[in-house]
Amino acid sequence: GESVGLHLPTLSVQEGDNSIINCAYSNSASDYFIWYKQESGKGPQFIIDIRSNMDKRQGQRVTVLLNKTVKHLSLQIAATQPGDSAVYFCAESSTDKLIFGTGTRLQVFP
Amino acid sequence: ETGVTQSPTHLIKTRGQQVTLRCSSQSGHNTVSWYQQALGQGPQFIFQYYREEENGRGNFPPRFSGLQFPNYSSELNVNALELDDSALYLCASSLGQPNTEAFFGQGTRLTVV
Repeated sequence: GESVGLHLPTLSVQEGDNSIINCAYSNSASDYFIWYKQESGKGPQFIIDIRSNMDKRQGQRVTVLLNKTVKHLSLQIAATQPGDSAVYFCAESSTDKLIFGTGTRLQVFP
Repeated sequence: ETGVTQSPTHLIKTRGQQVTLRCSSQSGHNTVSWYQQALGQGPQFIFQYYREEENGRGNFPPRFSGLQFPNYSSELNVNALELDDSALYLCASSLGQPNTEAFFGQGTRLTVV
């Protein structure tokens, strides 16, 4: 398949390890955040979201942490699997749109 | 699968031509947003339609225009295509106002030659 991003920051992890992907957002007034996973040749896939009245939210194998003080989000993936290999984007919700970060490529090796 | 479908999946056009891309939103969703994703970058907001009206626009020239139909499906039209318009065009649907889950289609890969 075609490559989504050629010069993205890359995180390489061994299968079974935990992954942590970080993201800085720009607008201190943003109150809703989403993490997306994008595989090559596909559209972004919703993973997990969090509102600004929370600092942590857990899903299946994923956890999102929100630090409003430093405008920082992180996505933690437990027991990373080969199928987790993709580009991950955080997005902050503005009044009428999502503002995406630059993305991080996650590579999982055996 | 998100239920958001886009057509066509791939398209090649010549500089100066016009193109129409289509999106069917997820059942029950009345808001459609369009994004442009250049290679190696995150999606950039083009505009949003809510109940058939444009509800916000990003930093794109007027030759990018859109429509939303009563069934909430949407079109993105680009006139006078330029080489830099080559990108993946993504449609996202959501329910109602912002700050709700937005689900993306698989995108249309547009190549301008």
